[in-house]
Order: sequence, then structure tokens, then C-alpha cells
Amino acid sequence: AQKVTQAQTEISVVEKEDVTLDCVYETRDTTYYLFWYKQPPSGELVFLIRRNSFDEQNEISGRYSWNFQKSTSSFNFTITASQVVDSAVYFCALSGTSGNTPLVFGKGTRLSVIA
Amino acid sequence: KAGVTQTPRYLIKTRGQQVTLSCSPISGHRSVSWYQQTPGQGLQFLFEYFSETQRNKGNFPGRFSGRQFSNSRSEMNVSTLELGDSALYLCASSSGLAGGRPDTQYFGPGTRLTVL
Repeated sequence: AQKVTQAQTEISVVEKEDVTLDCVYETRDTTYYLFWYKQPPSGELVFLIRRNSFDEQNEISGRYSWNFQKSTSSFNFTITASQVVDSAVYFCALSGTSGNTPLVFGKGTRLSVIA
Repeated sequence: KAGVTQTPRYLIKTRGQQVTLSCSPISGHRSVSWYQQTPGQGLQFLFEYFSETQRNKGNFPGRFSGRQFSNSRSEMNVSTLELGDSALYLCASSSGLAGGRPDTQYFGPGTRLTVL
């Protein structure tokens, strides 16, 4: 069975601090996909990144960066120089490789960035 | 390109009633998935439709059902509502590739259902 664990329930940081959100996953599949979504107070899940299990390169997009380590089954997300607009719940998710495989989500990490 | 739309955004129902939620996917997307989000259980998969056929189903009772129309729009129905059905219901659309590489799911704003 697939499982995603986000051990940090809530994180609070002061604006401009860097923050890392942890994600650990379990799967028996040799090929799989990992995702991060952001859920602002409006409720909509906003797609941030997709990574397949064969690509362990770290990725940077502006202030966002992702560290995928297959050896530790982790896919951590770092926000550099956090801003108040980053305040949201962030979800890590896992899926298999077929088109109809559902997303398995972690419980989410609520990030509060204080001005 | 317009995103995923869901109607209505908010619903209040009483126990025993039934409810229908609607989802319009991104143009060109043929797969629609439904998820239930509650504070206790988090985000849980309900079912997925592709080309009017249910391809996958989560672990929910038969009171939860859905369908998809030829234009890819989808509806979800919950009959005999219970208090525990109060949740945010999220719809996601994707191209629905049949194998090898799942396309990214893009979510709508959700329908918040309150059962009194």
C-alpha cells in the first residue's frame, strides 16, 4: 500500500525566513510519481510540482526548491525568503504510473508566515 | 484556458437528504476524479471517471456515486446524507492517459457541504 507522511502538522515562521516542509513516502512500486500541492484558504489545491521516481535531480523554481532522495524515500520542499502569501496548507502526494491511479495524500502541513 | 469549475460552492443539507455536485473539467481533459477532504481523514479518493466510465473507486459506501457525461462534465451524488458527510468535495481533471505516465491532476475550488 502507498502512504505519505508529513510529520509537521503546523509550522510558523517570520517573513523572509527559509522553511523546509518534510515529506516521507512508502510504496512498493519501482516507478511512481510525487507531487506537491498548495491549498490557500480559498480551498483550491494548486499544483506546484511533479517528479518521477527516476529523476532525482533537485529542482528550483524561483523561491521554491525540492529535494528528492530515493534512498530515504523523501521529497522535501523548501521555500526561501518566505512571504506572507506563502501561508497555506501544503500537501505532498504520491501516485502510481497508470492513468487512472489516484493520488495518495499526506495529512498536510499548515504554514503560517508572519509579517 | 479556464480551470476546473465546481458548482455549487457551498451547500447546506439535512440528514437523510441527497445532494448532487457538479464538476466541469479543463477543456480537453477527459478524466475527472473526486476527493473528499475532512479535518479528520484528510484527502481521500472517491472515484475517477474517464470517457464516461468509472475506472477506479475508493473505499466509500454505495451512497456515494458519480457519473460522467459525453462532454466530460461529471456529477457526484450522495444519497441519505449523514453528519459525517460534511466535507469539502474536490474535483480534479487530467488528460487521463491510459498508461505509463499519469498526467497531473488540476483541482477545482471545491464544494463545501454541510450536513445538519
